[in-house]
Amino acid sequence: DIVMTQSPDSLAVSLGERATINCKSSQSVLYSSNKKNYLAWYQQKPGQPPKVIIYWASTRESGVPDRFSGSGSGTDFTLTISSLQAEDVAVYYCQQYYDTPSSFGQGTKLEIK
Amino acid sequence: QVQLQQSGPGLVKPSQTLFLTCDISGDSVSSNRAAWNWFRQSPSRGLEWLGRTHFRSKWFHEYAQSVKSRIIINPDTSKNQFSLQLRSVTPEDTAVYYCALSNGPGWFDPWGQGTLVTVSS
Repeated sequence: DIVMTQSPDSLAVSLGERATINCKSSQSVLYSSNKKNYLAWYQQKPGQPPKVIIYWASTRESGVPDRFSGSGSGTDFTLTISSLQAEDVAVYYCQQYYDTPSSFGQGTKLEIK
Repeated sequence: QVQLQQSGPGLVKPSQTLFLTCDISGDSVSSNRAAWNWFRQSPSRGLEWLGRTHFRSKWFHEYAQSVKSRIIINPDTSKNQFSLQLRSVTPEDTAVYYCALSNGPGWFDPWGQGTLVTVSS
């Protein structure tokens, strides 16, 4: 099974500052035939289910603010929030869908400093 | 726009069977593009995929190894829903359970609202 590891486990950032979350997979999630990374990012707020914000490692879901961006390829990925807003406080998860079973990172808790 | 609505009890006794249903609106459980999934989330296990069912000319079922001997995910075409049965539960099965749709490659959207299931006598 593919193991997803996120860093850091928690992060405190000032409003308006940049937040960066990392995700590493135990094997590549880049599919060679279509050059796509099978990697998604989710945002989960208390009492709510996860919500997908990025898929294919860098494609923003419709309606997601452009301050959210995803990058990386192969085994190393990054979620960046360019200017943190109060409503971005949440737990963020990466997920690989390259292989079954799909697997998630342990989550990164993002707070306001 | 697809919406998923979960139902089922929030308390199950040890050794009994956990049973949850997920009602689908805006799509069909028999869709040839969709897969219907169950997850659970707990502090000790994080977000864990439990299994899925999907229809591609016939029904397919896939389950996580951790629960494979105890789980059944069934579609109900007459009610346009799918269900989760988890047998012989223990307190370690206490978690928030979610249903979710995956289209094609496999990110999950949307999700049901979640059901906290506590295993306790």
